Amino acid sequence: ILNVEQSPQSLHVQEGDSTNFTCSFPSSNFYALHWYRWETAKSPEALFVMTLNGDEKKKGRISATLNTKEGYSYLYIKGSQPEDSATYLCAPNRDDKIIFGKGTRLHILP
Amino acid sequence: EAEVAQSPRYKITEKSQAVAFWCDPISGHATLYWYRQILGQGPELLVQFQDESVVDDSQLPKDRFSAERLKGVDSTLKIQPAELGDSAMYLCASSLGSGRRSYNEQFFGPGTRLTVL
Repeated sequence: ILNVEQSPQSLHVQEGDSTNFTCSFPSSNFYALHWYRWETAKSPEALFVMTLNGDEKKKGRISATLNTKEGYSYLYIKGSQPEDSATYLCAPNRDDKIIFGKGTRLHILP
Repeated sequence: EAEVAQSPRYKITEKSQAVAFWCDPISGHATLYWYRQILGQGPELLVQFQDESVVDDSQLPKDRFSAERLKGVDSTLKIQPAELGDSAMYLCASSLGSGRRSYNEQFFGPGTRLTVL
């Protein structure tokens, strides 16, 4: 069973501040890792797919890093904005299965 | 921009009734997924299709759930009879990927929020 842990579960951040959160997963048989953003009343939206140890991806103010040897990925948001309020899901692809974490719920405070 | 369509968006039903959800994936996407997301949890894969064939339904409660994708395009997920514990968001996603071992990006529909009373 693939155990995907995301922390923290919930996070309140002041607008303009930067933040980061973690996804950890078993490192064996790793194939890829997906990050999704899920805003309320919308569809989950793919942010990144990462495959190589040491990968770093960036999309605007959001970036992510990947360590496949120790089994973790960090998502960073620089200069948080109200539109960043969402649940951020990570989903490792391992042994032909994609398993979603419970997500980190991010609230941006005005 | 192409999107995954799902209907209905919301469904309220009484326990023991039958419910059905429909999904139309992005044109050309061979792989279709049905997920269930219970509040506070991550999406859980119920069934994965490659074209019209089921490639993974290991987490589908087959005594009451069924899924089909007869022509390899749109798909229906059915629950009969519905139970209180089935209240959840049901998400459909599609990807280009062929075969199970794929890291192709999944595109999600808006989901169907099911409430069982």
